[in-house]
Amino acid sequence: GAVVSQHPSRVICKSGTSVKIECRSLDFQATTMFWYRQFPKKSLMLMATSNEGSKATYEQGVEKDKFLINHASLTLSTLTVTSAHPEDSSFYICSAEGPTGTYEQYFGPGTRLTVT
Amino acid sequence: GIQVEQSPPDLILQEGANSTLRCNFSDSVNNLQWFHQNPWGQLINLFYIPSGTKQNGRLSATTVATERYSLLYISSSQTTDSGVYFCAVGSNDMRFGAGTRLTVKP
Repeated sequence: GAVVSQHPSRVICKSGTSVKIECRSLDFQATTMFWYRQFPKKSLMLMATSNEGSKATYEQGVEKDKFLINHASLTLSTLTVTSAHPEDSSFYICSAEGPTGTYEQYFGPGTRLTVT
Repeated sequence: GIQVEQSPPDLILQEGANSTLRCNFSDSVNNLQWFHQNPWGQLINLFYIPSGTKQNGRLSATTVATERYSLLYISSSQTTDSGVYFCAVGSNDMRFGAGTRLTVKP
């Protein structure tokens, strides 16, 4: 139980285009999901908290107009990187609070974005 | 915000050895988790342990919430234990430590 999927696992796009990444909780409902970014050989940095049916809460320094988050259902959150630039290239990972009634989070397998 | 420090940053072991990884945090938390990140980037949940002690096979973890630290024990290490181990703490949102990179040599 408590499986989180992400799609796509890997994407390459050209500068100036937009890319959408999907995060799904497969066997449970997730009111709250989280988006992280990880640079090579570095730790995970929280970008934003995604709440079903309301606006996302962004961490300081994260541009909300560049990283659009939509949490339209209890099983799906999307992250859209708009007008992508090479510096947006990174590993993006989502997580969801699990069904146990605790704060335990379950993580997706990540999406590797390369902007050329 | 909450600060999370992990030690050691790097650890090299011979197969069969035991090890202890440490996570210090700066404030009280409702959530503390240990993860193993595999070579493909997937975070594997090891323990959800905001307090107390848990064991799962060769791994065990202890969190002393009043003293704001947690320990992850790996016994009889195997080469497949290699990778990065992260501690993450928080309440609704979580902050990650910098990780411990473990290499187990045959």
